[in-house]
Amino acid sequence: EADIYQTPRYLVIGTGKKITLECSQTMGHDKMYWYQQDPGMELHLIHYSYGVNSTEKGDLSSESTVSRIRTEHFPLTLESARPSHTSQYLCASQQTGYNQPQHFGDGTRLSIL
Amino acid sequence: KNEVEQSPQNLTAQEGEFITINCSYSVGISALHWLQQHPGGGIVSLFMLSSGKKKHGRLIATINIQEKHSSLHITASHPRDSAVYICAARGSGGGADGLTFGKGTHLIIQP
Repeated sequence: EADIYQTPRYLVIGTGKKITLECSQTMGHDKMYWYQQDPGMELHLIHYSYGVNSTEKGDLSSESTVSRIRTEHFPLTLESARPSHTSQYLCASQQTGYNQPQHFGDGTRLSIL
Repeated sequence: KNEVEQSPQNLTAQEGEFITINCSYSVGISALHWLQQHPGGGIVSLFMLSSGKKKHGRLIATINIQEKHSSLHITASHPRDSAVYICAARGSGGGADGLTFGKGTHLIIQP
């Protein structure tokens, strides 16, 4: 089974706070992804990384930022949270190679009051 | 950009029924994923296929590349199969492996 972990699972926090969502994988995958999913809606890619020191923005514009200092970690940060950031955030990783499957974490459900 | 459509959006069935969920996409792909999302939000990858058919237990996935269509079947459905099933198409080029997701099919299996 895939070993990809997200913390926290749930977070309720006030407007203006700085938030970091953690994502770690123990499979040594070079490729990692962050998706945003609003209730009842499809997943949208907001950030991805193909390896250490590589980060790119995805299809959906996001005010969040990411970093990839180590292969196993891909944290997502919101400098100043707003109610519009309320959503579920899912992290995924993938082995390099043609048509490899993506492995997903359990997600972080974020509510900004 | 690929458009991925799933049907039905919602499906309620009785335990034991044969279930079919459909997915169509608009442009050529290199692979299609079927994913399962439980109420807690976590996603499990069920299948990735680029041609033909795959089977795992009571789950079967098929794809017709020419018709740009895939189906997910569940035989002898059980209440524990209740979840959201998501189809995702991987493009044949572009950044981030080009995954485009459907909105999902919310399946409820009643005992």
